[in-house]
Amino acid sequence: QSVLTQPPSVSAAPGQKVTISCSGSSSNIGNYYVSWFQQLPGTAPKLLIYDNDKRPSGIPDRFSGSKSGTSATLGITGLQTGDEADYYCEAWDTSLSAGVFGGGTKLTVL
Amino acid sequence: EVQLVESGGGLVQRGGSLRLSCAASGFTFSTYAMTWVRQAPGKGLEWVSVISGSGAGTYYADSVKGRFTISRDNSKNTMYLQMNSLRAEDTAVYYCAKGRGVVVLAPIDYWGQGTLVTVSS
Repeated sequence: QSVLTQPPSVSAAPGQKVTISCSGSSSNIGNYYVSWFQQLPGTAPKLLIYDNDKRPSGIPDRFSGSKSGTSATLGITGLQTGDEADYYCEAWDTSLSAGVFGGGTKLTVL
Repeated sequence: EVQLVESGGGLVQRGGSLRLSCAASGFTFSTYAMTWVRQAPGKGLEWVSVISGSGAGTYYADSVKGRFTISRDNSKNTMYLQMNSLRAEDTAVYYCAKGRGVVVLAPIDYWGQGTLVTVSS
């Protein structure tokens, strides 16, 4: 069981919008920044969002992040087949004194 | 260009030891925290350990605490993970990752390609 809870899978049609949730607690998301990573099949993860809502250079504005209380959300608009991947949220957990990842969400673009 | 290259993975017997290395280039190594993350076959990402830029601060996941030791040699731009008392459940691809800042809470921004560790029983 992951400390951060994500839906196992989400799906949407090309061009549509999807959101992926990440639920935690006051020990992690509630008091620390959230990052989001994309892992395409057979590759290393890649940073999409850091500090809840900031995009690194090179990440298109189709990707967005937000946080409210003990939950965070990744949004992807204008879905493309190339967005099919696993998505992970991550935050520091003060109770564990360790980083924690969500279980991952598999995005299927139908 | 940031580059992170892991090495040292391989096949090891249960109870054995292995040392992973992560060679970094393209940035001032000593001014960034570094993290190890692993991924068991077909599973999600698992945070393993982090070390601050100076090496003074280290933290571990409960699953590896007391068995794994993270360290770094800033003169060689290299981070290490000494893994002892290995178990079957340690089998995974181990990724080296760079933080955005010097402190351990700095978010990860770059990842290496990973090195596979297989623990046989």
